[in-house]
Amino acid sequence: EIVLTQSPGTLSLSPGERATLSCRASQSVSSSYLAWYQHKPGQAPRLLIYGASRRATGIPDRFSGSGSGTDFTLTISRLEPEDFAVYYCHQSGTFGQGTKLEIK
Amino acid sequence: QVHLVESGGGVVQPGQSLRLSCAASGFTFSSHGMNWVRQAPGKGLEWVAGVWYDGTNEDYADSVRGRFTISRDNSKNKLFLQMNSLRAEDTALYFCARDLVPAAVDPFGMDIWGQGTTVTVSS
Repeated sequence: EIVLTQSPGTLSLSPGERATLSCRASQSVSSSYLAWYQHKPGQAPRLLIYGASRRATGIPDRFSGSGSGTDFTLTISRLEPEDFAVYYCHQSGTFGQGTKLEIK
Repeated sequence: QVHLVESGGGVVQPGQSLRLSCAASGFTFSSHGMNWVRQAPGKGLEWVAGVWYDGTNEDYADSVRGRFTISRDNSKNKLFLQMNSLRAEDTALYFCARDLVPAAVDPFGMDIWGQGTTVTVSS
């Protein structure tokens, strides 16, 4: 069973800054199935990235995904106030534990 | 407008059963794989089960395999989750979610989500 480990657990940044979120798999995985989701309290999760680097429909280009093998990254180039949320990576039916992006 | 609406949640005792439903509208339901994902109180997301566009293939998380069954009725644009032998650890908000593709061994990308229905298992 694949285990996805996200780091950091919590990331404190200010609007306008760059956010880099990491997702590490316990074994090499297919990039085709690596996705990133944004989740805010009381809302449905939102697909940001699929296939490791493809932006989902309607997702701003400040969100980008990269990586292969066991190491994947979600980058938010310039944080907007609405970007503060919990972010999850997902692969093969397994979610990472999440990274909470909070306002500094 | 694309919509998924879950229903059927409630409070049940350990060992009992519950059947969740998810009504889809605004898209061709029979062209997409579908999934159930849950979030226990204070915890992260957990994928529960997925089914192909035509219902011929399904998969489950180890935590629910043998107790839960996912199914769909494409004639009624509905997804179901039959939950048997419920345990306290099944307490969660259950979301249904559409997959980007019709048939994938695992979720390819879940792009449309409902708002969820709450299941509480308690004696």
